[in-house]
Amino acid sequence: RKEVEQDPGPFNVPEGATVAFNCTYSNSASQSFFWYRQDCRKEPKLLMSVYSSGNEDGRFTAQLNRASQYISLLIRDSKLSDSATYLCAPPGGSARQLTFGSGTQLTVLP
Amino acid sequence: GAVVSQHPSWVICKSGTSVKIECRSLDFQATTMFWYRQFPKQSLMLMATSNEGSKATYEQGVEKDKFLINHASLTLSTLTVTSAHPEDSSFYICSASGTDNSPLHFGNGTRLTVT
Repeated sequence: RKEVEQDPGPFNVPEGATVAFNCTYSNSASQSFFWYRQDCRKEPKLLMSVYSSGNEDGRFTAQLNRASQYISLLIRDSKLSDSATYLCAPPGGSARQLTFGSGTQLTVLP
Repeated sequence: GAVVSQHPSWVICKSGTSVKIECRSLDFQATTMFWYRQFPKQSLMLMATSNEGSKATYEQGVEKDKFLINHASLTLSTLTVTSAHPEDSSFYICSASGTDNSPLHFGNGTRLTVT
């Protein structure tokens, strides 16, 4: 089983909608995760860090649910510029076991 | 600003030549760096783990003699694509983190086109 699995989508939502993605993980010892955003033909960029208490940054909210072993990313009032592929990942030390999935593709429609 | 620098950003080369890609951590030391490859509309695939002062660890199906990795210092790893062929054309990305609990920082990627 992969360390982290994501629903690849695609998610097509209208502008202004709220959308949420989940990642499930298998390593119950994981203490933190990170959400990355990858635009077409670009490298992934760190979007948010997720620790036990969750994290909120403007329209973005990330949560870590240890009991169910999933991480979520919620985007409110989605913008056209939010269209991208979103990847979740454990900390760098365990990246050896991680092969990024396809990520979750989001398209925000006008 | 960027914490991992990758160079060059793009390169076009002829079939049979070799191409070297550099990955530098700018403000932290990285004993481990990672090299990925991404084909159009496909996922980011880990190719190898670059270990400072020792041999790289390659993922299954990645030819170590074709993709030479050198990690001679704590801030620099290089990937050399030897005898490149058109099927090696891809987007190559490196990443590194300062500690086991830090997020991965990615280089800006190198778009390789082999003609």
